[in-house]
Amino acid sequence: GAGVSQSPSNKVTEKGKDVELRCDPISGHTALYWYRQSLGQGLEFLIYFQGNSAPDKSGLPSDRFSAERTGGSVSTLTIQRTQQEDSAVYLCASSSDYVTQYFGPGTRLTVL
Amino acid sequence: RKEVEQDPGPFNVPEGATVAFNCTYSNSASQSFFWYRQDCRKEPKLLMSVYSSGNEDGRFTAQLNRASQYISLLIRDSKLSDSATYLCVVSLNTDKLIFGTGTRLQVFP
Repeated sequence: GAGVSQSPSNKVTEKGKDVELRCDPISGHTALYWYRQSLGQGLEFLIYFQGNSAPDKSGLPSDRFSAERTGGSVSTLTIQRTQQEDSAVYLCASSSDYVTQYFGPGTRLTVL
Repeated sequence: RKEVEQDPGPFNVPEGATVAFNCTYSNSASQSFFWYRQDCRKEPKLLMSVYSSGNEDGRFTAQLNRASQYISLLIRDSKLSDSATYLCVVSLNTDKLIFGTGTRLQVFP
């Protein structure tokens, strides 16, 4: 079946602009996660959605970052007033059992 | 101190060799442990969970030492296709995963 999909695959933007990154999880997966991975760094947890519960936003680095998950399915990560240090690969993952996380291919964000 | 620490490598080994990676974690309350594999410019994929008694999956063996807060991954009879970055992952409560920065393995002919 279809895996986790993310769009766009690449995004180049200018400093100060807002960007939206989209994640389509595997159908039926109730848990959805956003991470980012900077060059040569590990995955950094950003935010976690579990069913209808309030999201765990503890990993968001600043108030410029926000995420929504509509209808328990698609999620959008929004970065406002992008900065050069926001450049990274943003990875989305979904899970049905909270043990195995299935990752999407990521969105490579470059802020000029 | 990082929550999950790994030797970044790279480990360069010939085909057929046995190679072991280690990982330490700082939070003694961690409950779940995993090894993920990440190929260059690809997303991470679960390789195997790590159980307290140790577990094996083909050529791969994972061990957990809770007293020392230490996890290991052993790969026997390395293949060229094993070349990747191996991510040590821990979780406090099976939902939020904490990733190490990974150990890079390069298997050469």
